[in-house]
Amino acid sequence: AQTVTQSQPEMSVQEAETVTLSCTYDTSESDYYLFWYKQPPSRQMILVIRQEAYKQQNATENRFSVNFQKAAKSFSLKISDSQLGDAAMYFCAYRSLNSGGSNYKLTFGKGTLLTVNP
Amino acid sequence: GAGVSQSPSNKVTEKGKDVELRCDPISGHTALYWYRQRLGQGLEFLIYFQGNSAPDKSGLPSDRFSAERTGESVSTLTIQRTQQEDSAVYLCASSLSQLAGYEQYFGPGTRLTVT
Repeated sequence: AQTVTQSQPEMSVQEAETVTLSCTYDTSESDYYLFWYKQPPSRQMILVIRQEAYKQQNATENRFSVNFQKAAKSFSLKISDSQLGDAAMYFCAYRSLNSGGSNYKLTFGKGTLLTVNP
Repeated sequence: GAGVSQSPSNKVTEKGKDVELRCDPISGHTALYWYRQRLGQGLEFLIYFQGNSAPDKSGLPSDRFSAERTGESVSTLTIQRTQQEDSAVYLCASSLSQLAGYEQYFGPGTRLTVT
């Protein structure tokens, strides 16, 4: 079974600065997706960024980018020019592309609570 | 358009009572998922529905948990004889397809507290 580990329960950053959230995962599969989700106090999970494992190029979405290291099974999220609205819980998630398995479910880490200081 | 909605937003119940949680997916979304989020934890998969296919119930933690979905519409998650360890946020998500390229859109969840 796949596991996702987020080793930083909490992180803080000054407004306009850059912060990196860490995520590692364990899998024996070669084809999968990785995700970062944001969960504000409203509880609604919002997709921040997605990375397909077969792509070597790191995904970027405006101020959000990832550092995907497939061999190391590492998937970190970098938030540049941090804004007060970025404050939330961030979850790393894994989704298998194995056609023989339950490739529709997401496996989540425990999350990192990000505080943005003005 | 409207997103995934869930009701109630919060539910407090006494130990031993049954509860029913409701999820209204985005119109046209064939796939529907239930997840549970315990305090300080990530989301755990509970159950998955795809169209009229048999659901994947592999994540349900005990036989006190059940879920139904009629066609591609509303789903209900029922917990019988609730226990304190059932206290959690229950999140529903839907997607156009179960294929990996299709994003899962989440609702705001139901916070269940068992006293």
